[in-house]
Amino acid sequence: DIQMTQSPSSLSASVGDRVTITCRASQGVSNYLAWFQQKPGKAPKSLIYAASSLQSGVPSKFSGSGSGTDYTLTISSLQPEDFATYYCQQYDGYPYTFGQGTKLEIK
Amino acid sequence: QVQLVQSGAEVKEPGASVKVSCKASGYTFTNYAIHWVRQAPGQRLEWMGWINAGTGNTKYSQKCQGRVTITRDTSASTAYMELSCLTSEDTAMYYCARHHTGDYSVVFDVWGQGTMVTVSS
Repeated sequence: DIQMTQSPSSLSASVGDRVTITCRASQGVSNYLAWFQQKPGKAPKSLIYAASSLQSGVPSKFSGSGSGTDYTLTISSLQPEDFATYYCQQYDGYPYTFGQGTKLEIK
Repeated sequence: QVQLVQSGAEVKEPGASVKVSCKASGYTFTNYAIHWVRQAPGQRLEWMGWINAGTGNTKYSQKCQGRVTITRDTSASTAYMELSCLTSEDTAMYYCARHHTGDYSVVFDVWGQGTMVTVSS
């Protein structure tokens, strides 16, 4: 199985900050990498697919980049509604696997 | 609008089976696959398997293989996930999510609201 490791596991930031979350795969995933936002008690919400494509309806403050084994999610100008847990997922090989999550908290 | 609506919470005894439904609306059901993902309390998301709603082809995770069966009813635009031989480790929120079969890159753009399955004696 492809192991997905996110860093950091938790992150404190202030409203207005820009933050970056990293996701590393145990082998290359050919840009079949997605990012999701999850709030407590809610289903995940798709943000980014194919490493850097913005899902329809998602604000451009969210951006993704990377290739091979290393990918990043950047969120600019943090707003209160952005504080949540973020997951990366690879869908290059079966089983699809997720990172352990990065909890973004208000400082 | 496009949505996936799942069946309600379930409480099952160890050894029992559970069947969760996921009803699609607002799009052509057979143009997408439906995946099932679960999340145990405080844990990361875990992919279980998928069904191509058009062809009926399925793929399961090795961890779940043998205990999980995913089916669909195209006339009802509904996918089902049945998990057998339940143990306490199967206590989790179960989600369905769609994946375009014509454009593989567009994954899990719409999710169901989740179905809580609790396994307890």
